[in-house]
Amino acid sequence: DGGITQSPKYLFRKEGQNVTLSCEQNLNHDAMYWYRQDPGQGLRLIYYSQIVNDFQKGDIAEGYSVSREKKESFPLTVTSAQKNPTAFYLCASSVQGLLRYSNQPQHFGDGTRLSIL
Amino acid sequence: RKEVEQDPGPFNVPEGATVAFNCTYSNSASQSFFWYRQDCRKEPKLLMSVYSSGNEDGRFTAQLNRASQYISLLIRDSKLSDSATYLCVVNGHGGSQGNLIFGKGTKLSVKP
Repeated sequence: DGGITQSPKYLFRKEGQNVTLSCEQNLNHDAMYWYRQDPGQGLRLIYYSQIVNDFQKGDIAEGYSVSREKKESFPLTVTSAQKNPTAFYLCASSVQGLLRYSNQPQHFGDGTRLSIL
Repeated sequence: RKEVEQDPGPFNVPEGATVAFNCTYSNSASQSFFWYRQDCRKEPKLLMSVYSSGNEDGRFTAQLNRASQYISLLIRDSKLSDSATYLCVVNGHGGSQGNLIFGKGTKLSVKP
């Protein structure tokens, strides 16, 4: 079945530690996205990638890093610089990337919950 | 004005009721509109796109009013399984051009 797979489902970070969240898709989508959701809040865009080997900062990129070496994969690293990392992290993909006036719908993985130890 | 604004609810309705959700958006240049559904502690799932002429999918009807910058979702004959948070999503402008902006969602609880 085609879809987006995020792992792990739950992750705990120690002080000063970097952690990496995995996101893989087999939908042959060009664009991939990372969002953060805090309780009672909307989704906020961290990073996005419209094509392999290219990515752009979203609204809350500080303390995060990404890579897009393969079309299928868009891992997110939560660095020690991110002082409040506890949240629900969602990866999404869409057929094409962000356009100024029109967008394709995005399809989501089932998320990773990150907490601080 | 917030970029995408929704009534947070919760809306508590009996089974079989008709319920309507409203959403306003601030960017008059937006062209893409969606409703997503998010169950508790799960990922958002696309419910339906919203087209200029309005569109229907079974018990769900979405409408767009560009002049008022307003989107609605109507659910007829509510089922227990409709209980979820409904997210209004609009494309907007910002540092990441044309990124999708998600509302905080309206929570629906359908009771027997």
